[in-house]
Amino acid sequence: GAGVSQTPSNKVTEKGKYVELRCDPISGHTALYWYRQSLGQGPEFLIYFQGTGAADDSGLPNDRFFAVRPEGSVSTLKIQRTERGDSAVYLCASSLGLAGSYEQYFGPGTRLTVT
Amino acid sequence: GDSVTQMEGPVTLSEEAFLTINCTYTATGYPSLFWYVQYPGEGLQLLLKATKADDKGSNKGFEATYRKETTSFHLEKGSVQVSDSAVYFCALSDPAGGFKTIFGAGTRLFVKA
Repeated sequence: GAGVSQTPSNKVTEKGKYVELRCDPISGHTALYWYRQSLGQGPEFLIYFQGTGAADDSGLPNDRFFAVRPEGSVSTLKIQRTERGDSAVYLCASSLGLAGSYEQYFGPGTRLTVT
Repeated sequence: GDSVTQMEGPVTLSEEAFLTINCTYTATGYPSLFWYVQYPGEGLQLLLKATKADDKGSNKGFEATYRKETTSFHLEKGSVQVSDSAVYFCALSDPAGGFKTIFGAGTRLFVKA
């Protein structure tokens, strides 16, 4: 079946602009995670959804970052007033349940470049 | 807070050599431990996992044992192949930390023919 998909695959934006990154999880997966991966680093947790609600958003770096999952499937990560330091690969993962017990399936990522 | 430390790369080996990538962790609770792999041009994928002390995770000839006494989860393979060239990430998920997954910085492995 289809895996986790993310769009766009690449996004170049100017400093100060607003961007939206989309994640389509595997059908039936109730848990959805967003991570940010900077060059040469491991993925850094941003937010976790269980169904429609954000169960843990403690990794969001500041209030410029926001994510939604209104129908418990597709999720959008929104970044306002982008800064050059936001440049990274943004990864989405989905799983049948909590990460400790269920395998996370990762998407290919969206590479965000802020100029 | 919880953290994962893994050996810096790159690691360069000849085909059929023995591989060890060290990983140690700190955690508040009793985490599950994972190794993920990222092959060139592909997304992250789970390689193996262990959910409690003394468990051994294994897959594709790779093994790692959950050592609570040394807070370690070292990845080993007896005979590497060129196709094992990838970046390997050690990670944990701690119930006391809300089940978020914490990743190490990754270790790049190059295997020469």
